[in-house]
Amino acid sequence: DGGITQSPKYLFRKEGQNVTLSCEQNLNHDAMYWYRQDPGQGLRLIYYSQIVNDFQKGDIAEGYSVSREKKESFPLTVTSAQKNPTAFYLCASSQTAGSSYNEQFFGPGTRLTVL
Amino acid sequence: AQKVTQAQTEISVVEKEDVTLDCVYETRDTTYYLFWYKQPPSGELVFLIRRNSFDEQNEISGRYSWNFQKSTSSFNFTITASQVVDSAVYFCALSEASGNQFYFGTGTSLTVIP
Repeated sequence: DGGITQSPKYLFRKEGQNVTLSCEQNLNHDAMYWYRQDPGQGLRLIYYSQIVNDFQKGDIAEGYSVSREKKESFPLTVTSAQKNPTAFYLCASSQTAGSSYNEQFFGPGTRLTVL
Repeated sequence: AQKVTQAQTEISVVEKEDVTLDCVYETRDTTYYLFWYKQPPSGELVFLIRRNSFDEQNEISGRYSWNFQKSTSSFNFTITASQVVDSAVYFCALSEASGNQFYFGTGTSLTVIP
């Protein structure tokens, strides 16, 4: 089955620790995205990548980092610089980079809690 | 400024009632796309529909229908004869031809009471 997998589903972190969220897709999509979801605020874009070895900051990139070494993988690192990291994180992909026509497909999400 | 506004934060209806979820958008592009997604309690967003700015025909898919009106910059979503399985958060989104990202509304949480 084609789709997007995110792991882990639940993640707990102590303050001051970096943590990496995994996102893998087997849809052969060019573009990948990371969103953060907080109650009442909808989805906010953290980073996106339209092609391997290239990525762009979204609206709330501070305290986060990404890499895109392979087409199918787009891991997100939440660094200790992120002041309020507790949230639900969603990864998405779309078929063609730079095309506003294509819908985005979403993974099941990772719920990060900072203790 | 918010590009996509979903003014209804939470809606509750009794099963079999009809319900309309509102979406108002803002863009200067002449070419753009509008989307609706459903987010069930499991958390994964599910794509429901895409509409391009040049196609104002309303669309019906089973119990779902969408009303796109450029004159009022609205793209409303109606569920007819609601069911408990329709309980979810629904997001409206905008994608502009000139850009590279989606703009999501804040979502409407729908609860269908049996």
